[in-house]
Amino acid sequence: DAKTTQPTSMDCAEGRAANLPCNHSTISGNEYVYWYRQIHSQGPQYIIHGLKNNETNEMASLIITEDRKSSTLILPHATLRDTAVYYCIVRGGTSGGYQKVTFGTGTKLQVIP
Amino acid sequence: NAGVTQTPKFRVLKTGQSMTLLCAQDMNHEYMYWYRQDPGMGLRLIHYSVGEGTTAKGEVPDGYNVSRLKKQNFLLGLESAAPSQTSVYFCASSYRTGNEKLFFGSGTQLSVL
Repeated sequence: DAKTTQPTSMDCAEGRAANLPCNHSTISGNEYVYWYRQIHSQGPQYIIHGLKNNETNEMASLIITEDRKSSTLILPHATLRDTAVYYCIVRGGTSGGYQKVTFGTGTKLQVIP
Repeated sequence: NAGVTQTPKFRVLKTGQSMTLLCAQDMNHEYMYWYRQDPGMGLRLIHYSVGEGTTAKGEVPDGYNVSRLKKQNFLLGLESAAPSQTSVYFCASSYRTGNEKLFFGSGTQLSVL
């Protein structure tokens, strides 16, 4: 699996958009970008994923650069409940074979009142 | 639909004692994983399974054994617990690899004295 690089921590004012960057310069053509978050000591929660195109769901938007070497997770209107550690990972898109899923240390997002 | 259930939620062991952590999923997922999380170190993969009757080593397998006798259950065993195994343990499952998202349990806090 490709490696990812994320800032250790970020702050965001409540009600503003939170933009969390992730670098994945060694990503392969069939690898997807996934985002998860972990609130306090709970199990990580899936947020969104994408391959090439930008994606949006009820939780967030994912912007992937054209060269796919980096991406940004956008929480459009951050709330205090969005305070969490956010993990960016990449994993293969092939259904055959197995690719281990590994998590780094993520970005600790603090939403400030 | 319970998703991924881990038992127990908390456990305190003495050095040298043994125990088994149980992970159960009701989503008919093929793939299951055990992670440990230590402060400041993110999630590290211990063992994983790509189907009933199969297991494989992850990043940090030493001191642990696993079994997947039934598709819905993935057991993590500590034969002789050590203080270094004090951690929070998370189980996860996915339908298959590739672009399938992971579903996590709520974790087991284990302390080895």
